[in-house]
This record gives sequence, structure tokens and C-alpha cells, in this order.
Amino acid sequence: KAGVTQTPRYLIKTRGQQVTLSCSPISGHRSVSWYQQTPGQGLQFLFEYFSETQRNKGNFPGRFSGRQFSNSRSEMNVSTLELGDSALYLCASRLEASGDNEQFFGPGTRLTVL
Amino acid sequence: GNSVTQMEGPVTLSEEAFLTINCTYTATGYPSLFWYVQYPGEGLQLLLKATKADDKGSNKGFEATYRKETTSFHLEKGSVQVSDSAVYFCALKNSGTYKYIFGTGTRLKVLA
Repeated sequence: KAGVTQTPRYLIKTRGQQVTLSCSPISGHRSVSWYQQTPGQGLQFLFEYFSETQRNKGNFPGRFSGRQFSNSRSEMNVSTLELGDSALYLCASRLEASGDNEQFFGPGTRLTVL
Repeated sequence: GNSVTQMEGPVTLSEEAFLTINCTYTATGYPSLFWYVQYPGEGLQLLLKATKADDKGSNKGFEATYRKETTSFHLEKGSVQVSDSAVYFCALKNSGTYKYIFGTGTRLKVLA
């Protein structure tokens, strides 16, 4: 069974641009979460989607948005990029939204904002 | 609110040394506790977990015990190897929620 895949793996953008990151969960998994990882802040929860609905949201500005498609694939969009958005963006999928199902992480997309 | 505090790294040890990485938490209710490991260039992998007080999670020689009285979940290994070099994250999740709270991570370097 294929793991969680994220594309692209690396991305370089300039301030003010926007970016879209993609995450394909493990087959059959319906829950997808996104995290931002930076050296100073560690992993910060962005949002979670289940059955195309956002179920929970972290404390990030409205420039960060996401969506989930009917096949459970998810995209995350960041508009008007700032230097501080440079980070590793991790996606994790779970079988269901409730319970203690293990979440499986993808390798991440490393975003650099110049 | 909920939070996880980990000891700052990096932690540098010689091969076969004893490892402890401290983790304490603040949470309402009865959270599940987790340790994740991140190897260079990879995403996070679940290392072990515990879902209630006094539970001990273990995997690959690593252990952690859920201590409600001290709100701690310290990671231990009796004899580390060079291949254990990675970043370790402590995390919690309250039951009925979808959100994991992670610590800032502790980098472990094991020297041959």
C-alpha cells in the first residue's frame, strides 16, 4: 500500500506570490491534516479535513486555506506569501476522523520564500 | 489550553549510552500521548503511544510511561545506536478531538 504522498517536495517562491501544495492520503483514509514545521515553533496544526469538510482549524491567518476532494486528496493554499511562511509543510492521513487511529505522515513539502 | 513541553536539544550521546528525553504536558481531560520520530528528509513516524494513565508504550527498544500524577511521558532507551539519530516529537491528543498538539522536537545525535 502506498504511503502518503506530497507534491511538490521542494518549492521556492517570492514574497507576495501564492502557492498550492498537494497531499494524497493512503488509499481508504478519509481524514487529512496539515501541519507547518519550523525550527523555532516545531509542528503547528493548520487544519484537518474529513469527507471534504474542514473539521478543525489551528491559529493561522486567513491566508492559509485548504480543501479536500471527493477522492480524499487535499490541497493547501497560501496566498500573499511572507518570509515567515518558509517551512516544511507536512500532511498526515488517518482512516477515520474519530478515535485514536494512527496518523501517517507524508515526507513534506519544503517551501522557501525569498 | 493544551500544550506539550520537551527538553531542548540537541542531545548528543555515545553509542550504547542510556537515553532520556523529557516530555511534560498540560491538558484538560484524559489525553492520549505519543512519541514520533523524524529521520532526515522524511516525515514523522509513530514510535509509540499510550492512551491512559500508567500505560507503557514501547517499540524498537524505546519506552515511555504515561504518568498522570507528574503529567509526564518521558522517552527512554537503554542503549542507543547511531541509527537512532533523529528528531523526536512528543504529542498529545484529547479524545473526541481531531487535533494533535506537538512539542518542539528534540534532536538526538548518537556518535559511534
